[in-house]
Amino acid sequence: AQKVTQAQTEISVVEKEDVTLDCVYETRDTTYYLFWYKQPPSGELVFLIRRNSFDEQNEISGRYSWNFQKSTSSFNFTITASQVVDSAVYFCALTEGAGSYQLTFGKGTKLSVIP
Amino acid sequence: EPEVTQTPSHQVTQMGQEVILRCVPISNHLYFYWYRQILGQKVEFLVSFYNNEISEKSEIFDDQFSVERPDGSNFTLKIRSTKLEDSAMYFCASSSVSYNEQFFGPGTRLTVL
Repeated sequence: AQKVTQAQTEISVVEKEDVTLDCVYETRDTTYYLFWYKQPPSGELVFLIRRNSFDEQNEISGRYSWNFQKSTSSFNFTITASQVVDSAVYFCALTEGAGSYQLTFGKGTKLSVIP
Repeated sequence: EPEVTQTPSHQVTQMGQEVILRCVPISNHLYFYWYRQILGQKVEFLVSFYNNEISEKSEIFDDQFSVERPDGSNFTLKIRSTKLEDSAMYFCASSSVSYNEQFFGPGTRLTVL
């Protein structure tokens, strides 16, 4: 069965600091997809990124970057120069490619960015 | 930009009552989902729906739950006889293909008294 572990329950940083959110996953499939979602205090779930298991290239989008390492089953998320608006709960999620549709979420990491 | 919408935003009901939560997925999406999030906890999968039938469901999705796509736009989740433990935020989501990113609606907060 698939599993996603986000060991960091809460993180606090001061504005402009860099912060990395960890995600470790377990799956028996060779084809799978990894995601990050942001849940701001307003409660909605906002899609941030999707990676498939065949693409280990790291990705950068503005202040956000993602490090996917199959060797350690990790898909970590770094926010550079954090801002107060980054304060949210961040969820890592996994879906297996072979006929499964469900997203399995981690428990989330609550990030607080202090001005 | 197209988005998933959900109504109502908040529903309060008495234990044992039936509730229907409504969703309008993104119009060209083919896969539809319901998830729930008990306050302060992780998001849990309930059910996925494709081609007018359930594709996959979790252990949470027991006989008290049902889903329907009554017309070309709405996707509903019915809870037949609500329990206190059904109190949660219910999210609808849709995707264009099964392994693509799922776009979530704003959620319906269900409170069972």
